[in-house]
Amino acid sequence: AQSVTQPDIHITVSEGASLELRCNYSYGATPYLFWYVQSPGQGLQLLLKYFSGDTLVQGIKGFEAEFKRSQSSFNLRKPSVHWSDAAEYFCAVGIFPSGGSYIPTFGRGTSLIVHP
Amino acid sequence: DTAVSQTPKYLVTQMGNDKSIKCEQNLGHDTMYWYKQDSKKFLKIMFSYNNKELIINETVPNRFSPKSPDKAHLNLHINSLELGDSAVYFCASSPRRLPGNTIYFGEGSWLTVV
Repeated sequence: AQSVTQPDIHITVSEGASLELRCNYSYGATPYLFWYVQSPGQGLQLLLKYFSGDTLVQGIKGFEAEFKRSQSSFNLRKPSVHWSDAAEYFCAVGIFPSGGSYIPTFGRGTSLIVHP
Repeated sequence: DTAVSQTPKYLVTQMGNDKSIKCEQNLGHDTMYWYKQDSKKFLKIMFSYNNKELIINETVPNRFSPKSPDKAHLNLHINSLELGDSAVYFCASSPRRLPGNTIYFGEGSWLTVV
């Protein structure tokens, strides 16, 4: 079964600093890869997604993510963090199941704390 | 013009009660989901419906019963509420039940059982 790992439970950065959130997946082929953001008291919103093509994907709010097949990673980056970026970030994967129903799989989330 | 809307947003109730959370999507999507988010933010899928048909029914107590009157609505009914049911419940939808589809989430329903 596919799995997705977000190694960092919390990340603290200063406003204006760069950011990288890590995501690793476990699957033989390249899955669909997503990053979602959950602002406090809100539902999840798609930041960006990748399946094929250019391995550097641009998303909303100035975020980008890079797919690295050799490392089975899909890390999320932002060059300069704003206080409003403080939120929970979820990496997710989607694959065609070999049997049974497709189940979207989310990582456990990384909480981003932004210091002024 | 909310895409996925769920009500109520907040719900405080006593153990043993029965409650329902309603969900509607106006995106024309075929697939709808219920997710449970615990206090550690972990998202666990509970149910998935495709065109009113139950597709996914994860290991969830049978006190939880989803109902989909049409493909735009997926309600969640919970019987005999327990303390451990306290969580945020998210309704979501996607165009079809395909791995590449984006999932659109509602704003969540905060359930507190006392």
